[in-house]
Amino acid sequence: KAGVTQTPRYLIKTRGQQVTLSCSPISGHRSVSWYQQTPGQGLQFLFEYFSETQRNKGNFPGRFSGRQFSNSRSEMNVSTLELGDSALYLCASRVWGNTEAFFGQGTRLTVV
Amino acid sequence: KNQVEQSPQSLIILEGKNCTLQCNYTVSPFSNLRWYKQDTGRGPVSLTIMTFSENTKSNGRYTATLDADTKQSSLHITASQLSDSASYICVVRTTDSWGKFQFGAGTQVVVTP
Repeated sequence: KAGVTQTPRYLIKTRGQQVTLSCSPISGHRSVSWYQQTPGQGLQFLFEYFSETQRNKGNFPGRFSGRQFSNSRSEMNVSTLELGDSALYLCASRVWGNTEAFFGQGTRLTVV
Repeated sequence: KNQVEQSPQSLIILEGKNCTLQCNYTVSPFSNLRWYKQDTGRGPVSLTIMTFSENTKSNGRYTATLDADTKQSSLHITASQLSDSASYICVVRTTDSWGKFQFGAGTQVVVTP
């Protein structure tokens, strides 16, 4: 069974630009959550989607948004990028109701 | 204030030695606690899950303990190997309707030959 796939693996953007990250969950997993990981803050929860609806949301500004498609694939968008948005963005999928989340390799975003 | 505190922040141990990582939480209501291992540049991988009624659970050389009364958990690594070098993250789940997760900042373990 294929794992969680995130694309791209690495990304360099300039301040003010926007970026879209993609996450394909494990087959059969309908819940997808997104996390930002920085050395100073650790893992921080962005949002979770299930059945194309956002179910949970962390404390991030509105520049961070996401969506989920009918095939459970999810995208995360960050608009008006700031230097502080440089981080590893991780996506995790799980069976809704099951507590074990399986993480992807992450997308390393660098904002210059 | 983070509701999940991990200590130490980092540690260096010699190959073959044992070490213990700590996780203290104030998350309530409590559902379960997981330990994840994250290799550099990779996503976290679950090691163990502990529910309220469980005190100890092992996964190979990894043994997790939970004291739900004091809200403390530990992860013990026995006979460390170079491949144990990673960040270990404690994650606590609440029992509210959407099952939110609270993450610790992680303990960075470096095993040296």
